[in-house]
Amino acid sequence: QQQVKQSPQSLIVQKGGISIINCAYENTAFDYFPWYQQFPGKGPALLIAIRPDVSEKKEGRFTISFNKSAKQFSLHIMDSQPGDSATYFCAATIKGGSEKLVFGKGTKLTVNP
Amino acid sequence: NAGVMQNPRHLVRRRGQEARLRCSPMKGHSHVYWYRQLPEEGLKFMVYLQKENIIDESGMPKERFSAEFPKEGPSILRIQQVVRGDSAAYFCASSPQASGGGMNTEAFFGQGTRLTVV
Repeated sequence: QQQVKQSPQSLIVQKGGISIINCAYENTAFDYFPWYQQFPGKGPALLIAIRPDVSEKKEGRFTISFNKSAKQFSLHIMDSQPGDSATYFCAATIKGGSEKLVFGKGTKLTVNP
Repeated sequence: NAGVMQNPRHLVRRRGQEARLRCSPMKGHSHVYWYRQLPEEGLKFMVYLQKENIIDESGMPKERFSAEFPKEGPSILRIQQVVRGDSAAYFCASSPQASGGGMNTEAFFGQGTRLTVV
């Protein structure tokens, strides 16, 4: 049972373009949605996160859009750079309790120069 | 301020041997999570521990796997009688309190231990 579905599996974007990664969740109890960035051989690092009481959050070139009724959220990377090339994971959790993270399967982003 | 330290970074074990993975949380963090990452897959939750207590082990296989977080020293993930299917990257994350509750309770991940069973 995959509670968080992520697409696409891989993405190739030209430098300066917009990268868009989508996620959908099933459990309506989820109330915190972070995105992680992972470089080869490294651990995931928190990039940006959102709660369902807002529809959008922007930090620099990174924006999360959140659609509560559709149970979907997406990451937009504006002006994509070769240094953004990494694997991106969406995740979800429930505040309180163990607050374990449920991850999507990841999107491998390649930004060509 | 050192981050989450995991060792070893790479571990090779023959089938049937035991694997011990260590995680030292960030200073001041008393909550530890273990996740497993299979190739081309996302991270899967295994276990959540606080000092001397297992809080949630719903993601742990029922057999051969155990975890502890003693009062002193690192958290240990132990895999007994390893099989080839145990080959994966194992990540530890720590937080000052339960993670996911907000940006100020963010969980920080270590660089992982890559286990290869031959």
